[in-house]
Amino acid sequence: SQQGEEDPQALSIQEGENATMNCSYKTSINNLQWYRQNSGRGLVHLILIRSNEREKHSGRLRVTLDTSKKSSSLLITASRAADTASYFCAPAGWAGNMLTFGGGTRLMVKP
Amino acid sequence: GAGVSQSPSNKVTEKGKDVELRCDPISGHTALYWYRQSLGQGLEFLIYFQGNSAPDKSGLPSDRFSAERTGGSVSTLTIQRTQQEDSAVYLCASSPGDTATYEQYFGPGTRLTVT
Repeated sequence: SQQGEEDPQALSIQEGENATMNCSYKTSINNLQWYRQNSGRGLVHLILIRSNEREKHSGRLRVTLDTSKKSSSLLITASRAADTASYFCAPAGWAGNMLTFGGGTRLMVKP
Repeated sequence: GAGVSQSPSNKVTEKGKDVELRCDPISGHTALYWYRQSLGQGLEFLIYFQGNSAPDKSGLPSDRFSAERTGGSVSTLTIQRTQQEDSAVYLCASSPGDTATYEQYFGPGTRLTVT
């Protein structure tokens, strides 16, 4: 199975700044998904980037994927206090169907 | 439309008791997943159902854990003879298909506390 490892483990920024989180994984993937979790409860899907894509945008989110380095990054631009959450990456392999999540990046955006 | 729902939202039980956690997936989603998350940790995969296929139970931590999915819809996760280390948030997710194509939609979770 795949497992994403997020870096940094924790990030604290001021409102309005950009936040960048990184994800590394070890084996070949079909796609990579990013999720957000507020208050230790359910996760919300943010974006899915396929292995043949290099960059994808969704609102203030920008995700990049470098399959040669087995890494992905999530950029949140013009952050808001409401972006405070934990962010997880989940690489999806070609076989098998579970997602394996790492420990996440805990983002705190200070107003 | 309605999202994934889970019940109960919180459950406190005594060590040694059995518990049942319920998940109602999004209507029409063929795939259903159970994960658990210990305090401040990532998600640990438990079990996966896809349509009428045999479930992938590779993540169940012990034989005290079991799950079923009736009629391809509602799922129940059962933990027998609960232990304190079973305390965690149990998350259910559903998906229109496999992860090669689709994202997962998560429920709010059940917080299990074993005293």
